[in-house]
Amino acid sequence: SQKIEQNSEALNIQEGKTATLTCNYTNYSPAYLQWYRQDPGRGPVFLLLIRENEKEKRKERLKVTFDTTLKQSLFHITASQPADSATYLCALENSGYSTLTFGKGTMLLVSP
Amino acid sequence: EAQVTQNPRYLITVTGKKLTVTCSQNMNHEYMSWYRQDPGLGLRQIYYSMNVEVTDKGDVPEGYKVSRKEKRNFPLILESPSPNQTSLYFCASSLSKGQLYEQYFGPGTRLTVT
Repeated sequence: SQKIEQNSEALNIQEGKTATLTCNYTNYSPAYLQWYRQDPGRGPVFLLLIRENEKEKRKERLKVTFDTTLKQSLFHITASQPADSATYLCALENSGYSTLTFGKGTMLLVSP
Repeated sequence: EAQVTQNPRYLITVTGKKLTVTCSQNMNHEYMSWYRQDPGLGLRQIYYSMNVEVTDKGDVPEGYKVSRKEKRNFPLILESPSPNQTSLYFCASSLSKGQLYEQYFGPGTRLTVT
């Protein structure tokens, strides 16, 4: 069956460090992968999209990698700040369908 | 301002009383969808629409209906709500279907069915 797995345990890091979040998937062949940020009680907000032929994508302090051999995407936040504390979701299109499937998300907590 | 709006934001209702949650977007997006989010289960897609009069089931459509009579609006209808439909609901839109386009989410509707 198809699965998208993100660490269910919260990631706690200190301000200024790099946070690395993982998204693993099985039985998908996505051409693209998206990352979203979600604050409590609010709708997810789009952050980055990476295509299968892009190994890495950057936007300000954010970096995403996509390894289709490992079936994994890594999401990095460098020089993290307490304001980066949120839940981060990865999302893939369900092959052959028009539905976008989300991972359950990983909560990131950045302490001062 | 480009946005997706939902109403109401909070709703408490009783089992069996029909309700509609409205969703509207002002970005001329073709693709719209509804999700529910539950603790431990994440975001799950209920229904989606690729354009006016074109709708299809997502992963958890049971107990829900939708319609897309106008491009901007995509209401979610619960004909006979039950307690297991207590959840946080999000409407989303994107330029078109697929992963290439980012999804814009509404602020959410917290529904409680007693």
